[in-house]
Amino acid sequence: GAVVSQHPSWVICKSGTSVKIECRSLDFQATTMFWYRQFPKQSLMLMATSNEGSKATYEQGVEKDKFLINHASLTLSTLTVTSAHPEDSSFYICSAREISGISGNTIYFGEGSWLTVV
Amino acid sequence: AQKVTQAQTEISVVEKEDVTLDCVYETRDTTYYLFWYKQPPSGELVFLIRRNSFDEQNEISGRYSWNFQKSTSSFNFTITASQVVDSAVYFCALSEDVLAGRRALTFGSGTRLQVQP
Repeated sequence: GAVVSQHPSWVICKSGTSVKIECRSLDFQATTMFWYRQFPKQSLMLMATSNEGSKATYEQGVEKDKFLINHASLTLSTLTVTSAHPEDSSFYICSAREISGISGNTIYFGEGSWLTVV
Repeated sequence: AQKVTQAQTEISVVEKEDVTLDCVYETRDTTYYLFWYKQPPSGELVFLIRRNSFDEQNEISGRYSWNFQKSTSSFNFTITASQVVDSAVYFCALSEDVLAGRRALTFGSGTRLQVQP
């Protein structure tokens, strides 16, 4: 069945550097992907909606210059955390929606990426 | 605006007990989907169920059952004869604008379930 693959699963980076997280839809095309962030013991909060071929739509309070989202193809969206700081350490998870006709939409989540900034 | 409320922050039960996780939602749409996900300590989200707003039938899957009541805007989740492996955080979520596919899920705050042996 359809799967969303997220990479890397774990990443540790130094403060001030940038890190890229990839989200790929396997076996289906996703015109829309979503990026969430989850701090420890908290819920998943939507960061942005990634639209293929156009600019991402960011939620209020999310810095677009810090969290760069690129959705260059129908199967790949990337989230780049620029100039990362320890407070950016979090669990980032993407999802993609497979539009499936009358039955509606099926939503698939990636495995998530643990980011630790040291 | 849509909202999902999971009032129970943490629940602790002893193995074999039944446990119900509550979920109350708010939406102005007449067409929407409700979801339950399980999140074990490893972090990945495990899909449990999706229910559309037109289907109020209760569902049972093994030890899991769901009670959807539009009259009270609730979508509660019951685990029967709980097991230690059920220990996780459980999220209820809502999605509107299903036909256009543009909307993300709105998650509740989650309920941490601890099943003691």
